[in-house]
Amino acid sequence: DTGVSQNPRHKITKRGQNVTFRCDPISEHNRLYWYRQTLGQGPEFLTYFQNEAQLEKSRLLSDRFSAERPKGSFSTLEIQRTEQGDSAMYLCASSPRDRSAGANVLTFGAGSRLTVL
Amino acid sequence: DAKTTQPPSMDCAEGRAANLPCNHSTISGNEYVYWYRQIHSQGPQYIIHGLKNNETNEMASLIITEDRKSSTLILPHATLRDTAVYYCIVRRLLAGNMLTFGGGTRLMVKP
Repeated sequence: DTGVSQNPRHKITKRGQNVTFRCDPISEHNRLYWYRQTLGQGPEFLTYFQNEAQLEKSRLLSDRFSAERPKGSFSTLEIQRTEQGDSAMYLCASSPRDRSAGANVLTFGAGSRLTVL
Repeated sequence: DAKTTQPPSMDCAEGRAANLPCNHSTISGNEYVYWYRQIHSQGPQYIIHGLKNNETNEMASLIITEDRKSSTLILPHATLRDTAVYYCIVRRLLAGNMLTFGGGTRLMVKP
């Protein structure tokens, strides 16, 4: 297993277009997270899945954002009608089924950088 | 989760130990201390975590004070590849799994 994979790595789009990012977590991990990171800031939590269930959503996740994890494997994050303020790095992470402190050990992907013109 | 305070930036000479402090004076008894780092243009990487005992792994050592109100991450022999932003996070077990990242400390290792 090569870790958490994210595609595409870079996406440039025009304002108003829709974009979709894909995340493939580590296969034995049942938890999956999406974060957003803007320049010079730490990552900000967007949403979290346990298997296929979306259990938490941040207030940052506006109506234009939707995340899915069908079948509890890969996940997609779609942004509709993109705005320039959506320009950021979108990070995906996964963590194992663990009821110990290891549950908070997240493995992150390299991220998908979105630029909205 | 308890709030953490870290210096915004630090420098370290290559080959020397890098000691990164973190203040978490409001930490409660069931909260762990986690450290992650983020090298430029990469996702954050887990380093180490601890509850109250000092911990060591192949990457670093974590020293937690006896009152648990602060901790120090030690990179024993810093290399240029250790230049990164280091995040200290305090988190309860099974608390919704949302890690909250602050601003972190930007460590610059210089030759």
